[in-house]
Amino acid sequence: NAGVMQNPRHLVRRRGQEARLRCSPVKGHSHVYWYRQLPEEGLKFMVYLQKENIIDESGMPKERFSAEFPKEGPSILRIQQVVRGDSAAYFCASSPKHGSSYNSPLHFGNGTRLTVT
Amino acid sequence: EDKVVQSPLSLVVHEGDTVTLNCSYEVTNFRSLLWYKQEKKAPTFLFMLTSSGIEKKSGRLSSILDKKELFSILNITATQTGDSAVYLCAVYSGDKLTFGTGTRLAVRP
Repeated sequence: NAGVMQNPRHLVRRRGQEARLRCSPVKGHSHVYWYRQLPEEGLKFMVYLQKENIIDESGMPKERFSAEFPKEGPSILRIQQVVRGDSAAYFCASSPKHGSSYNSPLHFGNGTRLTVT
Repeated sequence: EDKVVQSPLSLVVHEGDTVTLNCSYEVTNFRSLLWYKQEKKAPTFLFMLTSSGIEKKSGRLSSILDKKELFSILNITATQTGDSAVYLCAVYSGDKLTFGTGTRLAVRP
């Protein structure tokens, strides 16, 4: 299965620690999206990245959150100094290239469930 | 700000019933509307709609888009317990996909 792979599936962090969530896109895809889903809510857009570039980060909290998609390796969503309100499921999706996304659906990974204690 | 609103928020039906889920939207640069089904894990893709009035169908599920009135409906006929899930509507505005909060459907035997 060459779909979007996310790890870890579950992550538990204490308040104040750092959380690093990884996303490997579909092979050949150069664009990655991160979404957050709070309990009983829909998916909220966070950030859209191309290899080595952030295209749109309008959904990212201004502090403590960062994302990268290096030339080699997975995309990383980093949350520093986590708080209880960061507890959520974080989903990643990928697409082949800029400008083609709206012609094809995003396919999502199984998500990382972050719990902050 | 782009907005996608789904109704009802939740719905309980019995097996065999037909359900209609609603999605309305206000976005700056509409490209397409998508429906997803989410059980415990990742949302799984159901339909993508770009043109008004053309019904998309897959088995017992069907969907249609009205670009003039800015809404879409998802119909499920002869519901089964396996249809129990959250159904998410999402709209591409430019290259960004904005989701509604979903409709939680429970199908009782």
